[in-house]
Amino acid sequence: TQLLEQSPQFLSIQEGENLTVYCNSSSVFSSLQWYRQEPGEGPVLLVTVVTGGEVKKLKRLTFQFGDARKDSSLHITAAQPGDTGLYLCAGVEYGGSQGNLIFGKGTKLSVKP
Amino acid sequence: EAGVAQSPRYKIIEKRQSVAFWCNPISGHATLYWYQQILGQGPKLLIQFQNNGVVDDSQLPKDRFSAERLKGVDSTLKIQPAKLEDSAVYLCASTLSGGPLYNEQFFGPGTRLTVL
Repeated sequence: TQLLEQSPQFLSIQEGENLTVYCNSSSVFSSLQWYRQEPGEGPVLLVTVVTGGEVKKLKRLTFQFGDARKDSSLHITAAQPGDTGLYLCAGVEYGGSQGNLIFGKGTKLSVKP
Repeated sequence: EAGVAQSPRYKIIEKRQSVAFWCNPISGHATLYWYQQILGQGPKLLIQFQNNGVVDDSQLPKDRFSAERLKGVDSTLKIQPAKLEDSAVYLCASTLSGGPLYNEQFFGPGTRLTVL
């Protein structure tokens, strides 16, 4: 079983639309990160959230960490073709071994012009 | 500032052959990670080094995978012998120190391995 479940797996939208992707778990996380990965490249960190209920904004991207620190969401406003990529959430499980990152399977986003 | 370097970028081998990947982290980064990313999945940690010591290798298939970071800088990951299910992208990442709680992990571009 996957510790971090991401949904949807695939998302294809038109430029200008809004979207939300989710990252859910039954476990509590000390922190949670969101990455974007483009084909042929490694993941690039977008944001780290640490406090339950925390909301962070990065231009058109809004990240939220659930109050219970078990889930997170990423909302993109007015998506652009440049937002296309694989969005990965990754968390440090509370009390987990070595504080290592556990990744979800990702949401593959395609934004058509 | 140079990023994490990996080579080769692509490798095709036949099953039962051996293969090695190389990673040079960002200068000054004490912690180095090797991940395996199978198509359609997120990265899975294989091994974590702190300087030249292994911190966590609990998910490394030690019967066929080995890794070293002898001088605490660059690192090699080896597979011997390779199996079909080892086909994946192997990512190297580094951070300044410690775990990822606050430190950003910087990833290299990966090595795409195809085992035929």
